[in-house]
Amino acid sequence: GAVVSQHPSWVICKSGTSVKIECRSLDFQATTMFWYRQFPKQSLMLMATSNEGSKATYEQGVEKDKFLINHASLTLSTLTVTSAHPEDSSFYICSASWLAGVGEQYFGPGTRLTVT
Amino acid sequence: GENVEQHPSTLSVQEGDSAVIKCTYSDSASNYFPWYKQELGKRPQLIIDIRSNVGEKKDQRIAVTLNKTAKHFSLHITETQPEDSAVYFCAARGTQGAQKLVFGQGTRLTINP
Repeated sequence: GAVVSQHPSWVICKSGTSVKIECRSLDFQATTMFWYRQFPKQSLMLMATSNEGSKATYEQGVEKDKFLINHASLTLSTLTVTSAHPEDSSFYICSASWLAGVGEQYFGPGTRLTVT
Repeated sequence: GENVEQHPSTLSVQEGDSAVIKCTYSDSASNYFPWYKQELGKRPQLIIDIRSNVGEKKDQRIAVTLNKTAKHFSLHITETQPEDSAVYFCAARGTQGAQKLVFGQGTRLTINP
């Protein structure tokens, strides 16, 4: 099956710094990638949808200047949390699809971000 | 936009019994309904899915039913085993906004040996 990786798997950073998370589709070309945030004991909340070569579409309430998404190639999307604060501590999960409206979404293993 | 409600939030059953989790959705045009199993700290794993042109789908001990008229779908797990303990999420894919998945709130299933 299709494989999606994320790096790093966990990261601890200090308040005010920025953190970059990478999402890679290893064996297929992902035309669309999705970024989710999951707080403890809660559901997955979609943050944004990114298509290769175009600007990401952010969900209502998600600050696009704080959560920078870049989808520069068909196998790589990055999420940068800028000026991180403790409330940004969460589990960030990406997913990738080659046909957003038809195909299955393949999830990455997630990145645990802790902001101190 | 699409809204998905999932019940119950927690479910505890005896090993060997059946478990049923129910979801309702709001967008009548939604056409894809996956179910995911998530263990603590891990990625969601697709366990079964159903498309709007099918009323029921089964894969060994797992089945999903879809009632388009009532806009609800259910996950059925038979002969439950301790390894079925996890959080289960339903989702629906609408027809707007890059056809994104909207997730239910999740059900924590505990199988008691």
